[in-house]
Amino acid sequence: NAGVTQTPKFRVLKTGQSMTLLCAQDMNHEYMYWYRQDPGMGLRLIHYSVGEGTTAKGEVPDGYNVSRLKKQNFLLGLESAAPSQTSVYFCASTIPRRGDASSYEQYFGPGTRLTVT
Amino acid sequence: AQSVTQLDSQVPVFEEAPVELRCNYSSSVSVYLFWYVQYPNQGLQLLLKYLSGSTLVKGINGFEAEFNKSQTSFHLRKPSVHISDTAEYFCAVTQVGGASKIIFGSGTRLSIRP
Repeated sequence: NAGVTQTPKFRVLKTGQSMTLLCAQDMNHEYMYWYRQDPGMGLRLIHYSVGEGTTAKGEVPDGYNVSRLKKQNFLLGLESAAPSQTSVYFCASTIPRRGDASSYEQYFGPGTRLTVT
Repeated sequence: AQSVTQLDSQVPVFEEAPVELRCNYSSSVSVYLFWYVQYPNQGLQLLLKYLSGSTLVKGINGFEAEFNKSQTSFHLRKPSVHISDTAEYFCAVTQVGGASKIIFGSGTRLSIRP
C-alpha cells in the first residue's frame, strides 16, 4: 500500500495563478483532510471531507476550494494564489469507526511545498 | 471547542539526557490525545496516543506520555535521547465522537546536541 500520496511535491506560483493539489489514499478511508503548516503555527485545518461528495470548512478555508468526487481522492484548489498562501500543505485520512477509539489516528502524506511569489 | 498549547517552541538537550516536552489542552468534552513527530522534510507520523485506560502510554522509539486530567496535560518524555530524535513534535487533541477533526499545537522543535 502506498498510503497517502500527494502531487506535486513542490510548486512555485506567481500571484494570481491557480493550481490544484491532489491527495490520494489507498486505505479505503472515509475521512480526508487538508492542512497547511506554517512556522510557529502548527498545522491548521483548511477543509475536510467525511465522505465522497461531501466537504466542510475547517479553520482557515478562505482562498481555497476542495472536491471529493472519488472516495480515494481529495483535491485542494487555489483559485488566485497569494503570497500568504506560501506554505507546506499536508493531506491526511482516517476511518473513524464509532466505538473504536483507535481508529481516530490520522495518516499523513509527505506534503507539498508551495511558494507564491 | 478544543485547544492545545505547547509551552516550549524549542528544546535543546544533550545526547543521552532526559527530555520532557510539555502539552496542555482545554476542552469541555472528553478528548483523545496524540503526539505526532515530524522528521526534517517529512510528513507527520504518530508517536503515541491516549484513548482511555492507563494514563501512562508508551509509544515508538522509547517515548512515553502521561495523561493528567486534573491538570489537563499530556507531557511527552524520554529518559535518554539520541541524535536521531531531532525533529518537531506536535501535541494534538480530538473530540470523542466528533468528526475526527484534530487540533494541533504549534509544535516543539527538539534539537539534540552531541
